[in-house]
Amino acid sequence: DSGVTQTPKHLITATGQRVTLRCSPRSGDLSVYWYQQSLDQGLQFLIQYYNGEERAKGNILERFSAQQFPDLHSELNLSSLELGDSALYFCASSPRSDSGNTIYFGEGSWLTVV
Amino acid sequence: GQSLEQPSEVTAVEGAIVQINCTYQTSGFYGLSWYQQHDGGAPTFLSYNALDGLEETGRFSSFLSRSDSYGYLLLQELQMKDSASYFCAVPGLNTGRRALTFGSGTRLQVQP
Repeated sequence: DSGVTQTPKHLITATGQRVTLRCSPRSGDLSVYWYQQSLDQGLQFLIQYYNGEERAKGNILERFSAQQFPDLHSELNLSSLELGDSALYFCASSPRSDSGNTIYFGEGSWLTVV
Repeated sequence: GQSLEQPSEVTAVEGAIVQINCTYQTSGFYGLSWYQQHDGGAPTFLSYNALDGLEETGRFSSFLSRSDSYGYLLLQELQMKDSASYFCAVPGLNTGRRALTFGSGTRLQVQP
């Protein structure tokens, strides 16, 4: 158990809908990272927040957004969902403002868009 | 640009030794990390190399050659539970080195 908690574990929704994925980082970690993993794309970095502020942006679609709250939990919002958004979404955390050598992943949220 | 190359799949038998290679292209270098991921599970940190040479952690070792832009993960005394995907990763240029960029992963199958 990494100490990173993600909910929900599984989610099935229809195209065009909107979902919110939630992440609680390890106690004391200020950075939260979101990654998307699909079969043909590997682990793709989406976005990072550090202590409530956006720090780095990767291949995140405009339909996706995220935020980190004062209690350091983070939410990833996915809207106007398409079939291709079906993937495993991971949250990871670290104590630093950069990834350093180690980040700790949650168990992921499986999203299926039908 | 930045890229990480790994073999897509490796097969070995229980008790054997296997080496998973990773070559990278990046301007500047801030260390090479290795992660393990079982099917349906979360990636977990295995090893990190910032300097040339071998780092050993139990049955797993990781090697780095910065001059060759090359590293490898060495798994000894393979067990069935080592069947998983293994990813090398470096701090991503496109993230200001704030987030890890992962290779496409090597799927290791350990056979009895």
